[in-house]
Amino acid sequence: TQLLEQSPQFLSIQEGENLTVYCNSSSVFSSLQWYRQEPGEGPVLLVTVVTGGEVKKLKRLTFQFGDARKDSSLHITAAQPGDTGLYLCAGTDRGSTLGRLYFGRGTQLTVWP
Amino acid sequence: DSGVTQTPKHLITATGQRVTLRCSPRSGDLSVYWYQQSLDQGLQFLIQYYNGEERAKGNILERFSAQQFPDLHSELNLSSLELGDSALYFCASSVGQVANNEQFFGPGTRLTVL
Repeated sequence: TQLLEQSPQFLSIQEGENLTVYCNSSSVFSSLQWYRQEPGEGPVLLVTVVTGGEVKKLKRLTFQFGDARKDSSLHITAAQPGDTGLYLCAGTDRGSTLGRLYFGRGTQLTVWP
Repeated sequence: DSGVTQTPKHLITATGQRVTLRCSPRSGDLSVYWYQQSLDQGLQFLIQYYNGEERAKGNILERFSAQQFPDLHSELNLSSLELGDSALYFCASSVGQVANNEQFFGPGTRLTVL
């Protein structure tokens, strides 16, 4: 079983603050994906990172894939209440051609106005 | 709206019973995935189908089974239900079966076993 550990588990901040959440594993992944899930809904894909060391930006969100493809981080600049949600990282098996995703337990982010 | 539909949205049943969860993938998607989300285990992969055939199996109990029909909709059957089966069950779909295909998740079915 591929294990992904996310930290912190909970994060409560004020609007305008910056934050970083982490996704770590002892396993190498073919790719890593970040999802956001809101209550009563399914996860929605934010980004996929494939290459070790890759950095992707999505407006105020910056995603980084570790050089060894074992870890990833999500940095949010100037957080807004609309960023509130459960952030999940998910990895795909190294060498596998199938779509099975291994999910971390998630970081529950609350941004207060 | 992801384009993936799941029914029912909520299901309440008793231990020992059998239920069927239904999923319709996005138009054009051939792969269907089932995931279980619980507070203690997080989101866990159960099974994947591609164009009617089983492609990958995860932590799916023997009491659970699934299939994908010729029209590509899928059903997840849960039998001899136990209290611990209470969870959110998500279906996702993707165009292909490979790892980097984006998976689109449905809204989920919340199963409560009393």
